[in-house]
Amino acid sequence: RKEVEQDPGPFNVPEGATVAFNCTYSNSASQSFFWYRQDCRKEPKLLMSVYSSGNEDGRFTAQLNRASQYISLLIRDSKLSDSATYLCVVNAPNSGYALNFGKGTSLLVTP
Amino acid sequence: GAGVSQSPSNKVTEKGKDVELRCDPISGHTALYWYRQSLGQGLEFLIYFQGNSAPDKSGLPSDRFSAERTGGSVSTLTIQRTQQEDSAVYLCASSGSDRGFEQYFGPGTRLTVT
Repeated sequence: RKEVEQDPGPFNVPEGATVAFNCTYSNSASQSFFWYRQDCRKEPKLLMSVYSSGNEDGRFTAQLNRASQYISLLIRDSKLSDSATYLCVVNAPNSGYALNFGKGTSLLVTP
Repeated sequence: GAGVSQSPSNKVTEKGKDVELRCDPISGHTALYWYRQSLGQGLEFLIYFQGNSAPDKSGLPSDRFSAERTGGSVSTLTIQRTQQEDSAVYLCASSGSDRGFEQYFGPGTRLTVT
């Protein structure tokens, strides 16, 4: 079983739409959760951390459900520039700050 | 400021040869990580250095892989006797001591083993 699982998509949405991505993780000992963004043939970049109480950063909202081991990312009012692959990331317990990455969900925002 | 740099950006090598990949982390970052991303796969953790502590090598796929970090800064990932399945993008990341999970990635080295 993969440590972090995501729907690979692609999600094709029109500009201005709201889109949600989900992810599940297998290790209940994980304590830290993130969403990274990766543009085509580029390196991943941290988008936002995910806190237990849920958190918002502009048009982006992240939620965590520890009981279900489930993480979500909501993007409101999608922009063309949001087109990218979104990586769900969870810390690897007992490995310091090493991270386990999902394979990513591809988003294409169209005019 | 300067981000994480990696060299070379691309490397093509013949099966069986050794390769060295270099990573120069963000100045002042105490932690350094190596990951690899194979085509269609997620990032896979390889090895992690934190300050002067012994590295966490738990992700290295075989004993052909090794890494060192000199002077707490630059790191070199070495792959001996390369195999075709080693073809991937090798990504290095670094983080500060107080925010270890906020990892800043370099542009990666694309390794192709022919």
